[in-house]
Amino acid sequence: QQQVKQSPQSLIVQKGGISIINCAYENTAFDYFPWYQQFPGKGPALLIAIRPDVSEKKEGRFTISFNKSAKQFSLHIMDSQPGDSATYFCAASIKAAGNKLTFGGGTRVLVKP
Amino acid sequence: DAGVIQSPRHEVTEMGQEVTLRCKPISGHDYLFWYRQTMMRGLELLIYFNNNVPIDDSGMPEDRFSAKMPNASFSTLKIQPSEPRDSAVYFCASRRGGRAYEQYFGPGTRLTVT
Repeated sequence: QQQVKQSPQSLIVQKGGISIINCAYENTAFDYFPWYQQFPGKGPALLIAIRPDVSEKKEGRFTISFNKSAKQFSLHIMDSQPGDSATYFCAASIKAAGNKLTFGGGTRVLVKP
Repeated sequence: DAGVIQSPRHEVTEMGQEVTLRCKPISGHDYLFWYRQTMMRGLELLIYFNNNVPIDDSGMPEDRFSAKMPNASFSTLKIQPSEPRDSAVYFCASRRGGRAYEQYFGPGTRLTVT
């Protein structure tokens, strides 16, 4: 049972464009929403994270938008660069359940020069 | 900081053989996680430990899988007997208590069972 649904599965964006990845969840007990970035042959690495009491968080070119009522959150990559080409995973966790991460299916992003 | 260390990086074995994957977490981290990544099922949590004690093994697919953490600096994931459907990349991750979101992943072990 997939508790976190991620879309699209893949996307291609031109250098300088905006990449947008969306995630939706059902379990309202989730209280932490991180995004991980994975390059080929590497393990995932934490990129940015948000808690549900915040509607937006920005770190450099990466922004998370969070809509608690819609149970959705998204990652925006501004001014996308070829070095951003990677697979991105959204995730969610519950502090009371040991902060186990439930991952979305992943989005493969390709930034064309 | 060496990061999370996993060995071997690649493992090819025949169906029915025993496979042991190894992990050394980051020093000072008291949580350790084992994940499996496949194209079909994505990234799945298999089991996690806190202070060397297994806390949740609900993700372990079946009795052929077992995991141990004999001390704070070493963990193993064993598959016996292995099957072709076990082919996947297995990741180990660790984090420090109180830093719930900062899981640090190792480079993974690519397992191929023929």
